[in-house]
Amino acid sequence: GEDVEQSLFLSVREGDSSVINCTYTDSSSTYLYWYKQEPGAGLQLLTYVFSNMDMKQDQRLTVLLNKKDKHLSLRIADTQTGDSAIYFCALLRVADKLIFGTGTRLQVFP
Amino acid sequence: GAVVSQHPSRVICKSGTSVKIECRSLDFQATTMFWYRQFPKQSLMLMATSNEGSKATYEQGVEKDKFLINHASLTLSTLTVTSAHPEDSSFYICSTGTGDSYNEQFFGPGTRLTVL
Repeated sequence: GEDVEQSLFLSVREGDSSVINCTYTDSSSTYLYWYKQEPGAGLQLLTYVFSNMDMKQDQRLTVLLNKKDKHLSLRIADTQTGDSAIYFCALLRVADKLIFGTGTRLQVFP
Repeated sequence: GAVVSQHPSRVICKSGTSVKIECRSLDFQATTMFWYRQFPKQSLMLMATSNEGSKATYEQGVEKDKFLINHASLTLSTLTVTSAHPEDSSFYICSTGTGDSYNEQFFGPGTRLTVL
């Protein structure tokens, strides 16, 4: 099966930037997503990129896609305590199936 | 975006009983819904794809007789965990496919199942 790996934990100070990384093995996905999950809740789509995009910026969020290295990253500028959550990258596969990364728990401290 | 609800949000049951979890698409007609399972501090694993009016498609390793899925209408899919055991304790999340340009899925809030 496909491996989608993320670092498990990231801790940043409020106001700093956070960078969450995701690496994958199968590069055939057309869409790549970043989802946010708060404790005991479902997932919220933050942003996405199409496979032919290198970068996408949406307010405080910047997504970088390096297809050659099969690496996707999410940068959150001016990180706030409300950004504390688990962040999942996800890749769209055939039949609209999503393959999720292992998740990165972001903790923001004052 | 589409609003997806799940009921119940939390359920505790005895080993051997069956539990039904409902997933409703409140403002969107969903021909396809997805069921995921999430163990503590782990990722979401796709269990099955629920298709309105037809049989669900199960992922490899998921027992279709244990996890019964019914998608009888465009707004409701149900997952029944039959003869539940403690190892079935997990967080179950459903989502709807929207078929939009970037294939966004909208997720329900999840159901926490605890089997004693």
